[in-house]
Amino acid sequence: IQLTQSPSSLSASVGDRVTITCRASQGISRYLAWYQQKPGEALKLLIFDASTLQSGVASRFSGSGSGIDFTLTINSLQPEDFATYYCQQLNSYPITFGQGTRLEIK
Amino acid sequence: EVHLLDFGGGLRQPGGSQRISCTASGFIFSNYAMHWFRQAPGKGLEWVAGIAGGSDNTKYTYYADSVRGRFTISRDNSKNTLFLQMISLRDDDTAVYYCAKRGPFGSPSYYSFDSWGQGSLVTVSS
Repeated sequence: IQLTQSPSSLSASVGDRVTITCRASQGISRYLAWYQQKPGEALKLLIFDASTLQSGVASRFSGSGSGIDFTLTINSLQPEDFATYYCQQLNSYPITFGQGTRLEIK
Repeated sequence: EVHLLDFGGGLRQPGGSQRISCTASGFIFSNYAMHWFRQAPGKGLEWVAGIAGGSDNTKYTYYADSVRGRFTISRDNSKNTLFLQMISLRDDDTAVYYCAKRGPFGSPSYYSFDSWGQGSLVTVSS
């Protein structure tokens, strides 16, 4: 299953709201997770089951979607949110990722 | 607190072999499926292999097509350690390798990886 993530990069300012989309090549129900990656840090799970916020993750992160189309929204961007974000499907093997979205400071 | 420590990376020549390990703490290791992922320099994330949790389920292993037949995932539950044995290494196996813990079986979070190691760099070059 291929995941097409967009945009590949995004410039935004502190306080902005941003949305990242992830489209699956076939239906994956809600078996989609979102991760944040920062240089030198372990990957961080943000969202599982398409829309469930992982414990300890800030409430400004939210996810939605099912089937083919999914979104990750970050409300009121904070300085620590500038990172790369990946979607991942676990509907079937092989587990696959989107290409990543690099979120940069404008 | 869950902690995963990847180690064992290094420089290997094409055709060589390498074993990397991941030591876990902070949870009942044997109960959880564990997987390996990798990230080539400047590239995105790629799933490599997975192994089921549970004392009777370790025979259930899964591999990406790119590594099947060359890589073997295994675990030693008595030592809370996950392994990835790699043989017939190729240049395109160069990557940072991450171990990751899958969510609890039977829960919605099973369809995610809630803890990741910091990564171990494997470089394949002559």
